[in-house]
Amino acid sequence: KAGVTQTPRYLIKTRGQQVTLSCSPISGHRSVSWYQQTPGQGLQFLFEYFSETQRNKGNFPGRFSGRQFSNSRSEMNVSTLELGDSALYLCASSLWIGGGSSNYGYTFGSGTRLTVV
Amino acid sequence: QKEVEQNSGPLSVPEGAIASLNCTYSDRGSQSFFWYRQYSGKSPELIMSIYSNGDKEDGRFTAQLNKASQYVSLLIRDSQPSDSATYLCAAYFNKFYFGSGTKLNVKP
Repeated sequence: KAGVTQTPRYLIKTRGQQVTLSCSPISGHRSVSWYQQTPGQGLQFLFEYFSETQRNKGNFPGRFSGRQFSNSRSEMNVSTLELGDSALYLCASSLWIGGGSSNYGYTFGSGTRLTVV
Repeated sequence: QKEVEQNSGPLSVPEGAIASLNCTYSDRGSQSFFWYRQYSGKSPELIMSIYSNGDKEDGRFTAQLNKASQYVSLLIRDSQPSDSATYLCAAYFNKFYFGSGTKLNVKP
């Protein structure tokens, strides 16, 4: 069974540029979430999509955006890159069964390591 | 107040000992709890999930949940150097809430 696939694995961009990261969830998983991870900051939640709709959003500026397609694949975009955006960006998919309190847990992709210079 | 709290460690245990990792959460509506292991430079990997009060065992790992005390723990028996990693606790209520992780060092 294929896992969560993130592309690209590594990316180097210049300040001011924009970047798009891609995530293909596990087959059958309709919930896709994105996290930013930096040393000492832990996992910072960006957003969650389910059936092409954004369910939840973290506290990131509007430069960070995402979307989900009908096949559950998701992309996130960061515009006007800043040095502080350098991080590991993780995508996770989940077999969300509905309701507020139950979940089977995430499977994370390998991540995209973004370096902004 | 953070929704999920963990001691950042590092927690150092000798090889063969029991490692005990602890986590508290603030949302009483949470019903699903998870432990993830993250090796340096890698992505988190789900190792245990627990939904009911009590203990759940899987090999050398035991997860413990006490909803009245809003407390989740992970015990690792016969700790191995390969268990050295950061362990993330997560609770789910409408979305996942992750702790900042506890770094475990298992010394040979």
